[in-house]
Amino acid sequence: KAGVTQTPRYLIKTRGQQVTLSCSPISGHRSVSWYQQTPGQGLQFLFEYFSETQRNKGNFPGRFSGRQFSNSRSEMNVSTLELGDSALYLCASSLDTGQGGEKLFFGSGTQLSVL
Amino acid sequence: GNSVTQMEGPVTLSEEAFLTINCTYTATGYPSLFWYVQYPGEGLQLLLKATKADDKGSNKGFEATYRKETTSFHLEKGSVQVSDSAVYFCALSDQAGTALIFGKGTTLSVSS
Repeated sequence: KAGVTQTPRYLIKTRGQQVTLSCSPISGHRSVSWYQQTPGQGLQFLFEYFSETQRNKGNFPGRFSGRQFSNSRSEMNVSTLELGDSALYLCASSLDTGQGGEKLFFGSGTQLSVL
Repeated sequence: GNSVTQMEGPVTLSEEAFLTINCTYTATGYPSLFWYVQYPGEGLQLLLKATKADDKGSNKGFEATYRKETTSFHLEKGSVQVSDSAVYFCALSDQAGTALIFGKGTTLSVSS
């Protein structure tokens, strides 16, 4: 069974540009969530999607957005990039049985560098 | 709000030593608790979890017990191996969603 796939693996952008990251969840997983990992702030929750709807959102500015498609694939977009957006962006998927304590399966991440 | 505090690293041990990584949490309600591990060059993966008070999660020789009275979920292993070298993250989620709140991570380095 294929794992969570994130593309691209590495990305270099300049300030002010926008970027789109892609995530393909494990087949059959309905929930996709995104996290930002930086040395200073650690792992922080961005948002979660289920059945094409954003169900949960972290404390990030509106420049960070996402969406989920009918096949559960997800994209996140960051507009007007800032230097502080340089980070590893992780996508995770889960079955979402609704019982809590869900195991998340993480992708290898997209390393974004903003120059 | 909910938060997780775990001991700062790095933790450096010799092979076969005993490991404890402390983790405490602040949360309303009854969160689920997790330990995730990030091996060098690999993605985050679930190591173990516990979903209610007094539950013990275990995997690969690692154990952690959900202690509600002390709001703790300390990770332990009786005898570490070089292959256990990794970054360990304590995390919690609320009952409803898959949003995880992570601790800062603890780097473990085991030498032979």
